[in-house]
Amino acid sequence: AQSVTQPDIHITVSEGASLELRCNYSYGATPYLFWYVQSPGQGLQLLLKYFSGDTLVQGIKGFEAEFKRSQSSFNLRKPSVHWSDAAEYFCAVAASGNTGKLIFGQGTTLQVKP
Amino acid sequence: DVKVTQSSRYLVKRTGEKVFLECVQDMDHENMFWYRQDPGLGLRLIYFSYDVKMKEKGDIPEGYSVSREKKERFSLILESASTNQTSMYLCASRDGLAFSSYNEQFFGPGTRLTVL
Repeated sequence: AQSVTQPDIHITVSEGASLELRCNYSYGATPYLFWYVQSPGQGLQLLLKYFSGDTLVQGIKGFEAEFKRSQSSFNLRKPSVHWSDAAEYFCAVAASGNTGKLIFGQGTTLQVKP
Repeated sequence: DVKVTQSSRYLVKRTGEKVFLECVQDMDHENMFWYRQDPGLGLRLIYFSYDVKMKEKGDIPEGYSVSREKKERFSLILESASTNQTSMYLCASRDGLAFSSYNEQFFGPGTRLTVL
């Protein structure tokens, strides 16, 4: 069965430091991959998505993610974190078989230290 | 601006009560979704609807039903609430083909339901 794993439940970084959030997926073919962010008290917002083509994807708010087929990974990165980036981040993969569904990872909570 | 609204941010109900969670979107999207969000489990799909009166079971439909009588409104119903249904419930909508994940899902702010 398809799955998405976010190995880090909580991450704390200092403001201005770089950030990498890990995401691993299991899927046979080329996956559709997404990163969403949930700020406190808010719904989820799409940061970026990968369907095909260039494996380095740029998103909103200065985030980027790199698709690595050999590692079954789609890690999210940001070169310099801002206090407003504190939130919960979800990686998701489109379920196989054209179901229109997404499978979400467990989420990673990012805390930003001043 | 795109908007998905949910009728309540917080709800407290008693075991055995019938509970209605309402979701409205103003984007004329064909597809609407109900998820529950639990710590350590991420989001899990309960039901989705790809058209008025059409629905598909998600991964955890047991104990829930849904209703979509109008395109903009999608209701989640707990026929007899139980304590294990205490959770955050998120509604989302998406444009495009029913069985394609290409387009972005837009989420509401969520309803935190507590069942006592």
